[in-house]
Amino acid sequence: GAGVSQSPRYKVAKRGQDVALRCDPISGHVSLFWYQQALGQGPEFLTYFQNEAQLDKSGLPSDRFFAERPEGSVSTLKIQRTQQEDSAVYLCASSKPGGDTDTQYFGPGTRLTVL
Amino acid sequence: GESVGLHLPTLSVQEGDNSIINCAYSNSASDYFIWYKQESGKGPQFIIDIRSNMDKRQGQRVTVLLNKTVKHLSLQIAATQPGDSAVYFCSNRPGNQFYFGTGTSLTVIP
Repeated sequence: GAGVSQSPRYKVAKRGQDVALRCDPISGHVSLFWYQQALGQGPEFLTYFQNEAQLDKSGLPSDRFFAERPEGSVSTLKIQRTQQEDSAVYLCASSKPGGDTDTQYFGPGTRLTVL
Repeated sequence: GESVGLHLPTLSVQEGDNSIINCAYSNSASDYFIWYKQESGKGPQFIIDIRSNMDKRQGQRVTVLLNKTVKHLSLQIAATQPGDSAVYFCSNRPGNQFYFGTGTSLTVIP
């Protein structure tokens, strides 16, 4: 079946612009996670949804970052007034807790470059 | 907080040899651990997982060992193949969040 998809795959923004990154999770997956991955580093947690409820947003680096999942499926990560330090790969993952495994299935990521 | 670290940032092995990648974690409340493989330009791909009530789990050519006493996790890859070349991350979960290490880059020499 289809995996997690993300769009766009690449985004170049000028400093100060707003960007919106989209995640389409695997159908039926209740949980959705956003991560930020800097070059040469492991993914760092940003936020977590269970259905449409945002249960944990403690990893969002500033109030310029906002995530939503209004219908419990597709999610959007929005970054306002982008800064150069926001340049990274943004990964989305979904999971279906309660089965034999709680593993997360990752999308290919969106590479954001802020000039 | 939580820190997760891998012991070696890079590892080179000959094709056909076994590979061992190590990881240490700090939070004893971690109840679930996952190893991921990440190839260039792709998201992390699940390899194998283990829960804290186990100390060993085997998959196809891979084995994960968990030592909760010293908070250590390892991934063993048998008969390493060129397609195994990638960055490997360990991940643990104390609570809702998953924490990732910095990764070990595995290079398989033909």
